[in-house]
Amino acid sequence: QVQLVESGGGVVQPGRSLRLSCAASGFIFKSLSLHWVRQAPGKGLEWVAFMTDNGGEKNYADSVKGRFTISRDNSKNMVYLEMNSLRIDDTAVYYCTRNPKFHHNFDYWGQGTLVTVSS
Amino acid sequence: QSALTQPASVSGSPGQSITISCIGTSIDIGGYNYVSWYQQYPGKAPKLMIYDVTNRPSGVSNRFSGSKSGNTASLTISGLQAEDEADYYCCSYTSSRTWVFGGGTRLTVL
Repeated sequence: QVQLVESGGGVVQPGRSLRLSCAASGFIFKSLSLHWVRQAPGKGLEWVAFMTDNGGEKNYADSVKGRFTISRDNSKNMVYLEMNSLRIDDTAVYYCTRNPKFHHNFDYWGQGTLVTVSS
Repeated sequence: QSALTQPASVSGSPGQSITISCIGTSIDIGGYNYVSWYQQYPGKAPKLMIYDVTNRPSGVSNRFSGSKSGNTASLTISGLQAEDEADYYCCSYTSSRTWVFGGGTRLTVL
């Protein structure tokens, strides 16, 4: 069955960096686009970033552009989110999710990993 | 990248129908048939309920239906049940090759 498992969350000071990982299984990883979506405590969902199946295209929300970098390793079925210059308002649960082939929705989600930015 | 506009809350009694609206613009909802809806219980990951405006994934009750008119999408839940009480989010693909979510709607089953 399809599984997406995030890791790497934790408490970090403002201005520091953190790298999130998402391990995928149960599907042909290299054929699908992967995304990161976050949810601040008590708030709604916010799309963060995506990367196409072969890594040829990526895009970011304005709120993270220039600070966050998405990458993937198709040999390891892993997707990453490198987060630099973290701010207090980056505090959120970060979810890994995917687009099914030829669609623009998110059909499977991980359980999320909590990132807390605090001094 | 402004969020899509949803009502903060809606409510209904068991057996009734409710509709949640999701207002966007011509660069997102109005420009593509790529609207999806997600159900989320507290502390849980979102679950896909509707995709491509009107389609239900396998396993989702046919009490859930979606529609779109112009820049506004809607999710209708008929025959409300207690288990439907949750947060609901709309989402659309945009012309900038990004995605945008609505602010979320808390559904209360009275």
